[in-house]
Amino acid sequence: AQSVTQLDSHVSVSEGTPVLLRCNYSSSYSPSLFWYVQHPNKGLQLLLKYTSAATLVKGINGFEAEFKKSETSFHLTKPSAHMSDAAEYFCVVSARNNAGNMLTFGGGTRLMVKP
Amino acid sequence: EPEVTQTPSHQVTQMGQEVILRCVPISNHLYFYWYRQILGQKVEFLVSFYNNEISEKSEIFDDQFSVERPDGSNFTLKIRSTKLEDSAMYFCASIRGRGNSYEQYFGPGTRLTVT
Repeated sequence: AQSVTQLDSHVSVSEGTPVLLRCNYSSSYSPSLFWYVQHPNKGLQLLLKYTSAATLVKGINGFEAEFKKSETSFHLTKPSAHMSDAAEYFCVVSARNNAGNMLTFGGGTRLMVKP
Repeated sequence: EPEVTQTPSHQVTQMGQEVILRCVPISNHLYFYWYRQILGQKVEFLVSFYNNEISEKSEIFDDQFSVERPDGSNFTLKIRSTKLEDSAMYFCASIRGRGNSYEQYFGPGTRLTVT
């Protein structure tokens, strides 16, 4: 079984300041981990994924995440927030180290960016 | 860029009615999924489908639900007799294959409101 906990339901930052969205996971298997973003009235878009290669993963729009097995964490960061980053972010784990399996979602973190 | 599409974007139905939610996965994808998100709750896996049969389903996916791929392009989710608690956003996803080099692509969702 696997589960994902996103530690903050809401995060508010000022434009130009760093972003940190926290995620902890549990999995019986070597996990694949993902971050998806959902803008209002849009589908879920993949930001980045970890699949047992490099532990520091770079994604689109300047986001990156670091897989830390000892801490069972996969936090999402960005050095400088942009207004367009305001959205809902989901940390996701797959059942196995295999993207074709069912995905388990965290509860989501709503990122708000203030001008 | 190819994308998963879903229709309708919003469906309102009365309790006890049947609804069919439609999805057109990306054309060369082989695995198909339905997820749902009740307002304020996590995105939850419902069912996966491969080679014209269900490969995995969750406890949510009871006898009221069914899926079908009636032709080479559509993938449908049917709810036979809707209940108030079926009100949710339903997401379709597809993936080309299984393994670390692939990712699940999500549609924009159908918002189902049962009154």
